[in-house]
Amino acid sequence: DIQMTQSPSSLSASVGDRVTITCQASQDISNYLNWYQQKPGKAPKLLIYDASNLEIGVPSRFSGSGSGTDFSFTISSLQPEDIAIYYCQQYDNFPLTFGGGTKVEIK
Amino acid sequence: EVQLVESGGGLVQPGRSLRLSCAASGFTFHDYAMHWVRQAPGKGLEWVAGVPWNSAYRVYADSVKGRFTISRDNGKNSLYLEMNSLRPEDTALYYCAKGIVAREDTFDYWGQGTLVTVSS
Repeated sequence: DIQMTQSPSSLSASVGDRVTITCQASQDISNYLNWYQQKPGKAPKLLIYDASNLEIGVPSRFSGSGSGTDFSFTISSLQPEDIAIYYCQQYDNFPLTFGGGTKVEIK
Repeated sequence: EVQLVESGGGLVQPGRSLRLSCAASGFTFHDYAMHWVRQAPGKGLEWVAGVPWNSAYRVYADSVKGRFTISRDNGKNSLYLEMNSLRPEDTALYYCAKGIVAREDTFDYWGQGTLVTVSS
């Protein structure tokens, strides 16, 4: 199985800060990586697919990059409504696997 | 508007069975792969099972292989998860999730989930 390691597991930043989350795959997954946002009590929401493509309707302050085994997700200017847990997910191979999540809080 | 509505969750004893359903609307159900993803209380996301539009194959997480069966009825716009030999570690909120065309294993819509609690 492909292991997805996310870091940090949590972070606290100020409104307007640039926030970056990393996700490392245990083997090469090309660009078969997605990023989801999960707000408290809600279902996850797709933000980024194929490592760097912004889902329709998602604000442009969200971005993703990387390929192979190392990926990153960035919020260019953190907003109060971005408080959530963010997950990466690989779909190169079954079983599909998620990272452990990164909880983003406002300082 | 795409809607996915799960049902069938509840409290069940270890070793017993449960069948989850997901009613889909607002899109052409038979064109898309569908999946089940679960989330144990306070924990992260775990993919459980997936089925393509034509049920040509079914794939499962190792943790449920041999115990759970995913199926779909395109005529009823419905997805199912038959869960047998349930264990306490199967306790979770179970989400139904829709795949994307050409990226079947990317989930663009999710239901609100149905809670399964396995306990004696």
